[in-house]
Amino acid sequence: DIQMTQSPSSLSASVGDRVSITCRTSQNIGSYLNWYQQKPGKAPKLLISAASNLQSGVPSRFSGSGSGTDFTLTISSLQPDDFATYYCQRSHITLSYTFGQGTKVEIK
Amino acid sequence: QVHLVESGGGVVQPGRSLRLSCAASAFTFSSYAMYWVRQAPGEGLAWVAAISYDGSNDYYADSVKGRFTISRDNSKNTLYLQMNSLRAEDTAVYYCARGIYTSGSYSSDYWGQGTLVTVSS
Repeated sequence: DIQMTQSPSSLSASVGDRVSITCRTSQNIGSYLNWYQQKPGKAPKLLISAASNLQSGVPSRFSGSGSGTDFTLTISSLQPDDFATYYCQRSHITLSYTFGQGTKVEIK
Repeated sequence: QVHLVESGGGVVQPGRSLRLSCAASAFTFSSYAMYWVRQAPGEGLAWVAAISYDGSNDYYADSVKGRFTISRDNSKNTLYLQMNSLRAEDTAVYYCARGIYTSGSYSSDYWGQGTLVTVSS
């Protein structure tokens, strides 16, 4: 099984900060990596698909990069609405998903 | 506007069964793979099951294999999750989600609001 490791598990940051979250896989998965944002009591929201494709309506301060085994979600200038938990997710040929452990972004 | 509405959650005793439904609207349901994803209280997201657009293929997490069955009725635009032999560790909010295929990768662009399943005696 391919292992996924998301880091950090939590971080504290201020409005305007640049924030990066990393997802690492134990094997090469190409660009088959997606990112979600989830706020308390709400369903997840897809931010980025296939490592770097920004979903329609998602602010341009969000970006995704990486391929192979190392991937990064970057928020260029953290806004109050961005305080949430972020998950990476890979899909398999068989339609199944694996999620990372999540990164909680809190206000400093 | 794409809409997914789950129903059927509730409190159930260990060993009993429950069936969740997810009513879809405002898109061609029969063209999309569909997913169930759950989230235990205070925990992260966990994939449960997936089904192909036509229902011909289904896939399960090891933790539910042999106990849960995903199905769909494309004539009713509805996704189901039959959950048997429920355990305390199945307690979670269950989300249905639409699958999309982008550049070789599946992701979920629309999600329901979730339905809470509590397994307790």
